[in-house]
Amino acid sequence: QSVLTQPASVSGAPGQRVTISCTGSTSNIGAGYDVHWYQQLPGTAPKLLIYANNNRPSGVPDRFSGSKSGTSASLAITGLQAEDEAEYYCQSYDISLSGSQFGGGTKLTVL
Amino acid sequence: QVQLQESGPGLVKPSQTLSLTCTVSGGSISSGSYYWSWIRQPAGKEVEWIGHIYTSGSIKYNPSLKSRVTFSVDTSKNQFSLKLRSVTVADTAVYYCARGSRVAAAGYYFDYWGQGTLVTVSS
Repeated sequence: QSVLTQPASVSGAPGQRVTISCTGSTSNIGAGYDVHWYQQLPGTAPKLLIYANNNRPSGVPDRFSGSKSGTSASLAITGLQAEDEAEYYCQSYDISLSGSQFGGGTKLTVL
Repeated sequence: QVQLQESGPGLVKPSQTLSLTCTVSGGSISSGSYYWSWIRQPAGKEVEWIGHIYTSGSIKYNPSLKSRVTFSVDTSKNQFSLKLRSVTVADTAVYYCARGSRVAAAGYYFDYWGQGTLVTVSS
């Protein structure tokens, strides 16, 4: 069981807004470490979606945004599209690992 | 454009050693401030950080695997490698190599990934 907790699944209709939460602790997000988000399509490697809480790499649509508060972070997707159907992971640094920790992943279904 | 490519056997017998190499192109693994990392993902399960080699050469392993894993670097070939000893079926997973880029506060994010390679542990 991951120390970064995500909902197993979320869903939304095309055009809607969905959010995915990532709840950590005082050994990772709550300690001030940044949160990063990845999108993984079936059979492919995770792709960086958001880094350092709320920054988008070049090429990522502004429909994707991130936020962080306290021991939690969230990924928001607006104007949901069929191509957004994927698995989403949060990631942060964890003191107990002295390294990276991933969330358990959230399956997004576009209805 | 940085690219990473994993290579190694796709099938390993239980109790043997899993060996993988990541070849980096488009940038030198000995320059900059990067965390050259190994990550794995068992089918249908969580993504697990295995460890990293920092550009300076310092190494960190996931404590859950520390007793069985060894990383190495070959700067002449721009490669870094993973050895995981005494494997069991639980080590069956897709193994990725990735580049970690530092953030201001601490920690890093993975901006470049290899395509991943499936390693199956089976007799």
